[in-house]
Amino acid sequence: KQEVTQIPAALSVPEGENLVLNCSFTDSAIYNLQWFRQDPGKGLTSLLLIQSSQREQTSGRLNASLDKSSGRSTLYIAASQPGDSATYLCAVTGNQFYFGTGTSLTVIP
Amino acid sequence: NAGVTQTPKFRILKIGQSMTLQCAQDMNHNYMYWYRQDPGMGLKLIYYSVGAGITDKGEVPNGYNVSRSTTEDFPLRLELAAPSQTSVYFCASSYSRANPSSPLHFGNGTRLTVT
Repeated sequence: KQEVTQIPAALSVPEGENLVLNCSFTDSAIYNLQWFRQDPGKGLTSLLLIQSSQREQTSGRLNASLDKSSGRSTLYIAASQPGDSATYLCAVTGNQFYFGTGTSLTVIP
Repeated sequence: NAGVTQTPKFRILKIGQSMTLQCAQDMNHNYMYWYRQDPGMGLKLIYYSVGAGITDKGEVPNGYNVSRSTTEDFPLRLELAAPSQTSVYFCASSYSRANPSSPLHFGNGTRLTVT
């Protein structure tokens, strides 16, 4: 069964810092990988989707990479802002969607 | 474009009561899913559907039922509510699962408390 792990579980950084969130998965037979943002008490908002044939995707200050062979993805957030504070989840698509438990990010003003 | 709409947003049930969580999508998506999210436990799949008239169990189906009579709607039924069903429930949809470019879209969730 696919297992998705996100490390660290929580991260606190000062405003303006660049940061990297990690996602690892055990089965490389995936169709795509998605990064989501979840604000407290809210649903999941899709940030980036990387297809299995792609290496990275960029949207504004966000850059996500995918290394299928090693079972890893990273979400890079440049010049972090307090508004980036949220929980970030990754999900891989195989026979089903498999989710990590998320990284809770706090950006301190 | 409403996307995935869930109702109600909040609900408190007494043990043994029944209720239906509603989910509707307007994106003509074939696939629809119900997840529950418990603190620190991640998202767990309850039921899913690959099209109208077709449903299947996910990881944690006990205590729940679903139906998919139309492409748009995918209600989740709790027959005899138990405290263990206290959770946040999310409905999601996608056009396809095997299509690498097909993202998963979520509703805003229903927060259910069973006391």
